[in-house]
Amino acid sequence: DGGITQSPKYLFRKEGQNVTLSCEQNLNHDAMYWYRQDPGQGLRLIYYSQIVNDFQKGDIAEGYSVSREKKESFPLTVTSAQKNPTAFYLCASSIFENRRNTEAFFGQGTRLTVV
Amino acid sequence: GDSVTQMEGPVTLSEEAFLTINCTYTATGYPSLFWYVQYPGEGLQLLLKATKADDKGSNKGFEATYRKETTSFHLEKGSVQVSDSAVYFCALSDHGGSQGNLIFGKGTKLSVKP
Repeated sequence: DGGITQSPKYLFRKEGQNVTLSCEQNLNHDAMYWYRQDPGQGLRLIYYSQIVNDFQKGDIAEGYSVSREKKESFPLTVTSAQKNPTAFYLCASSIFENRRNTEAFFGQGTRLTVV
Repeated sequence: GDSVTQMEGPVTLSEEAFLTINCTYTATGYPSLFWYVQYPGEGLQLLLKATKADDKGSNKGFEATYRKETTSFHLEKGSVQVSDSAVYFCALSDHGGSQGNLIFGKGTKLSVKP
């Protein structure tokens, strides 16, 4: 089945440590995104990528880094510079055509907790 | 820039009540419009979409009509069920721009009581 997979579902991190969240899709989508969701809040865009080896900062990129070495994969690293990383992280992908995104497909999310 | 505004929640309804969640947008071009649903602890799922003015998106009893004259895409359902309890997000995708990404509203939490 085609889809988008995030792992792990739950992640615990000690303060001062970097941690990497995985996102893989087999939908052959060009565009991929990372969003952060805090309790009772909407989605805030961290990074997005419309093509391999290229990505752009979203609204809250500070303290995060990404790579896009393969079309299928868009891992997110939460660095120690991110002061309040505890949140629910959502990865998504979409087709980018005619300078517009089609509907996005989301993973099941990773809940990151700093302990 | 582009933006989406949807009604604040939470919304609490009794089973079989009529649902409306308002959504208005601002866009420079001719966006595609979407409604997503998020159940507790899960990612978002596409509920319905409309790609041009006067289109009606529908799915699982939910409907929304793309109204260009009022820049709106209100979500409606004639008779809600307990299983419809979730957070609903309105979103748009516009042509080009500096980001080309999806713009989401803040979400509206719906609780349906038996």
